[in-house]
Amino acid sequence: QSVLTQPPSMSGAPGQRVTISCTGSSSNIGAGYDVHWYQQLPGTAPKLLIYVNNNRPSGVPDRFSGSKSGTSASLAITGLQAEDEADYYCQSYDRSLSTWVFGGGTKVTVL
Amino acid sequence: QITLKESGPTLVKPTQTLTLTCTFSGFSLNSPGVGVGWIRQPPGKALEWLALSYWDDDKRYSPSLKSRLTITKDTSKNQVDLTLTNMDPVDTATYFCTHRPQSTSYYFDFWGQGTLVTVSS
Repeated sequence: QSVLTQPPSMSGAPGQRVTISCTGSSSNIGAGYDVHWYQQLPGTAPKLLIYVNNNRPSGVPDRFSGSKSGTSASLAITGLQAEDEADYYCQSYDRSLSTWVFGGGTKVTVL
Repeated sequence: QITLKESGPTLVKPTQTLTLTCTFSGFSLNSPGVGVGWIRQPPGKALEWLALSYWDDDKRYSPSLKSRLTITKDTSKNQVDLTLTNMDPVDTATYFCTHRPQSTSYYFDFWGQGTLVTVSS
């Protein structure tokens, strides 16, 4: 049972927009800790996709964007492409647990 | 260019102790704010943070595994070791080594390729 809650799966047709939610609590996201997102392509290591809520590392397409509000955060993928088919994880820090915490992951399928 | 690579046994028996080594390049673990962490992922499951060693030798552990974990660093060799005692089949996972950048936030910007460790008799 993950500390951060994500939908297990989402899907969309090429070109569509997909939004993945990440719900936390008052001891992590709601406490002001930043949210970060990772993309894990099949059989590979996770890759940082969004850091500090809405920042993209160099090389990440601007089709990916992040937002945070209250105890939740979201990752939006616009103009969905076949290469976006992957697992996506949100991550934050929990002050009660004193640990880095992850969501359970969302598998995005491109129809 | 930051790179990290995990090494260690791929198969361990129940009750044995696992020791993994992360060998990194492209940064110094003497730089303020920098850290090297370990994260694991059981097959088909989510990511789980295990431990982190900071540049100043401050160490943090997952509370649920703290009694079994030890993280050590050797800055002269650019290596960070993770030891997990009393291995159990539920510890079967891919173990990733990660870089924590100098930042006021808590994230991992570079990851190793991971190493799959299977616990079986």
